[in-house]
Amino acid sequence: ETGVTQSPTHLIKTRGQQVTLRCSSQSGHNTVSWYQQALGQGPQFIFQYYREEENGRGNFPPRFSGLQFPNYSSELNVNALELDDSALYLCASGDRPYGYTFGSGTRLTVV
Amino acid sequence: AQRVTQPEKLLSVFKGAPVELKCNYSYSGSPELFWYVQYSRQRLQLLLRHISRESIKGFTADLNKGETSFHLKKPFAQEEDSAMYYCALENNNNDMRFGAGTRLTVKP
Repeated sequence: ETGVTQSPTHLIKTRGQQVTLRCSSQSGHNTVSWYQQALGQGPQFIFQYYREEENGRGNFPPRFSGLQFPNYSSELNVNALELDDSALYLCASGDRPYGYTFGSGTRLTVV
Repeated sequence: AQRVTQPEKLLSVFKGAPVELKCNYSYSGSPELFWYVQYSRQRLQLLLRHISRESIKGFTADLNKGETSFHLKKPFAQEEDSAMYYCALENNNNDMRFGAGTRLTVKP
């Protein structure tokens, strides 16, 4: 049991809608990161939170936002969904430089 | 620019043969490099990290700063090694970049 759980596992949304994905990190891990993985590609870094503050961001527009809570849970919010946002979204927790523990992901389909 | 390249999308070897999965990177600072593995129907999991200089499941990876490479090697492949392998680099801004991955198939 890796200790990182994500919900929901699958989600279908309509273009233009907003979505919130949730992650429960492994207890004791102060860092949580979110990634987008398109089909056939490696995960792409969206952003990272450390003790409830964003401390790193990849090349994603501001409509991708997040929150981290004191109870090791976090959220990824995406506004104004586009068809290209269809992907697997991964949450990972851990502490630099030891590597990260990944969740199973949320498969988002935008139609 | 920070980049991770895995030149082989697919790699197939026979059981007992040596295997090498290539990873090249570009980064101007001191990289932190990792190999992650994803077995069929399982989540992505850390295989090894360069700071530990460890051997996990018989795999090793050496950081070669001169060639900017971090190739993953195993002297005798096993069928259970069949999986998707990702090389990843974390920079000083906590940005973790993954390669596109190499699918390893070990044939009996």
